Amino acid sequence: DGGITQSPKYLFRKEGQNVTLSCEQNLNHDAMYWYRQDPGQGLRLIYYSQIVNDFQKGDIAEGYSVSREKKESFPLTVTSAQKNPTAFYLCASSRDSKRELFFGEGSRLTVL
Amino acid sequence: AQSVTQLDSQVPVFEEAPVELRCNYSSSVSVYLFWYVQYPNQGLQLLLKYLSGSTLVKGINGFEAEFNKSQTSFHLRKPSVHISDTAEYFCAVTERWGGADGLTFGKGTHLIIQP
Repeated sequence: DGGITQSPKYLFRKEGQNVTLSCEQNLNHDAMYWYRQDPGQGLRLIYYSQIVNDFQKGDIAEGYSVSREKKESFPLTVTSAQKNPTAFYLCASSRDSKRELFFGEGSRLTVL
Repeated sequence: AQSVTQLDSQVPVFEEAPVELRCNYSSSVSVYLFWYVQYPNQGLQLLLKYLSGSTLVKGINGFEAEFNKSQTSFHLRKPSVHISDTAEYFCAVTERWGGADGLTFGKGTHLIIQP
């Protein structure tokens, strides 16, 4: 089945540690996105990529980093510079930037 | 810049009653509009989308939405809800040409179905 796979689904880390969330898609989509979801705040865009080896900051990029070395993969690193990293993280992809997004199941990060 | 307002953060409804979830957007240009549903601890699933053509759009699970350009609205409706419709619903917009890449989402409406 075509889709988006995020891993891990749940992740616990200590303060000050970097964490990398995986996102893989087999939909052959060019565009990929990372969103952060907090209760009552909807979805906020962290980073997006329209093409391999290129990506742009979204609204809340500080404390995060990404790479896009392969079309299928768009990993997100939550660095120790992110002041409040505990959240639900959603990865999505689309055929292009004006089409509907297809979402993964999400990764819940809890920093202890 | 485009933005989306979902006027109600929570909507409680009795089972088998009709429901309307409101969505207004701000953009001076032509847009594409979307509604997504999210069940607890899951990703978002597309309910329906408006790209062009008929302003009444039908989606999955018996939902429909009507695009109203003059009121810049895209309200979601269902004539009779089921307990399984309990979820978070998100409205999203993107400008057809130019503007920001990707979709801009509202803050969501939590639909609570009461037996």
